[in-house]
Amino acid sequence: QAQLEQWGAGLLKPSETLSLTCAVYVGSFSDYYWSWIRQPPGKGLEWIGEINHSGFTNYNPSLKSRVTVSVDTSKNQFSLNLNSVTAADTAVYYCARAQERSNWFDPWGQGTLVTVSS
Amino acid sequence: EIVLTQSPGTLSLSPGERATLSCRASQSFSSSSLAWYQQKPGQAPRLLIYGASSRATGIPDRFSGSGSGTDFTLTISRLEPEDFAVYYCQQYVSSPSTFGQGTKLEIK
Repeated sequence: QAQLEQWGAGLLKPSETLSLTCAVYVGSFSDYYWSWIRQPPGKGLEWIGEINHSGFTNYNPSLKSRVTVSVDTSKNQFSLNLNSVTAADTAVYYCARAQERSNWFDPWGQGTLVTVSS
Repeated sequence: EIVLTQSPGTLSLSPGERATLSCRASQSFSSSSLAWYQQKPGQAPRLLIYGASSRATGIPDRFSGSGSGTDFTLTISRLEPEDFAVYYCQQYVSSPSTFGQGTKLEIK
């Protein structure tokens, strides 16, 4: 079983809401921060936001108005919602673990390609 | 926001050669809050180095990181065929954490 396993809808229309969930099978869920990172096709990496088990969140200002990261400690899962998507949000989305707030990432989920197209 | 600039964009080398990848930050770091990742096609990034110079678990010792301030380096002492990939640096000294644009290491 993968350490971080993620899933969610892969095809969206403009203006819809992107929703992804990541299940954690490694370590103690409450000891770490949990992040979402995305990578447009053929491009670099962009950090989206993070959460801890208490629900403390921190978002990239570039996406803050459209992003919500939430946590379900009973299931050791965390989720990403990104509303009002456009073609510019087309990317592979990764979940990842950080040792603490604003830190390096290890391990990563397998990635989910989300395509926004009318 | 701290901008990371990686150079070169593409590095063409042969197996057995030494690779030196650079990452320059737009602001100086007072701490060694820099990581390096390796990414192969269709895969998630893999952590190689954190704290500018500490190897992650299971990473071979041919990978080493160095640097401070604004200039950081990832060195691969002797390239193996599986090392040809894209490499990214990441700063986590300030939020938002940011990544460099990547260096593609290709077989010459």
